[in-house]
Amino acid sequence: DTGVSQNPRHKITKRGQNVTFRCDPISEHNRLYWYRQTLGQGPEFLTYFQNEAQLEKSRLLSDRFSAERPKGSFSTLEIQRTEQGDSAMYLCASSLDKGPNSPLHFGNGTRLTVT
Amino acid sequence: SQQGEEDPQALSIQEGENATMNCSYKTSINNLQWYRQNSGRGLVHLILIRSNEREKHSGRLRVTLDTSKKSSSLLITASRAADTASYFCATGQTGANNLFFGTGTRLTVIP
Repeated sequence: DTGVSQNPRHKITKRGQNVTFRCDPISEHNRLYWYRQTLGQGPEFLTYFQNEAQLEKSRLLSDRFSAERPKGSFSTLEIQRTEQGDSAMYLCASSLDKGPNSPLHFGNGTRLTVT
Repeated sequence: SQQGEEDPQALSIQEGENATMNCSYKTSINNLQWYRQNSGRGLVHLILIRSNEREKHSGRLRVTLDTSKKSSSLLITASRAADTASYFCATGQTGANNLFFGTGTRLTVIP
């Protein structure tokens, strides 16, 4: 178990630029989640994949956000035309398919700063 | 938006004391989980309690769940400086595939 890996750890970008983050889940986990966390708050759900299928998206995920999980392995989260309000920690988590009782395994996140 | 509220928002105790954190939620749940987060890191799963369970233990952790009051508590006994972190409750809700996290309790254990 090598854990969930996220890259990069930190990203600083100028407003209006596009950014892409990568998440490598635990290899045998077929569920993958993206969450966003702002300072002093708990994680907020963005989207969820089961294998390669994106099964659920939060209303927080505006049309500037897109996520993919080709071949059901790693996932990418892209933010287009970044805004200062996008500054946050973006967390990826994975789990085995045990339904709603599955504990999540989190990566250490990508901290995005939009200037 | 957060679905749970932790109380207190911050807690400071001496090493060796017990720490109790509370979580309240609003909807019907399948399970409730507690996670720990060190500063600048991801969350680590601590313990899961199912909706038909009332109490669960794991090492120095004790979790209770009262579904009639929609509340849970996490007790950390004999705290250590290394327990300093933020603690979050998260609910697995009926019909949902993701977890809904609370706002967290920031615990500081003073050596």
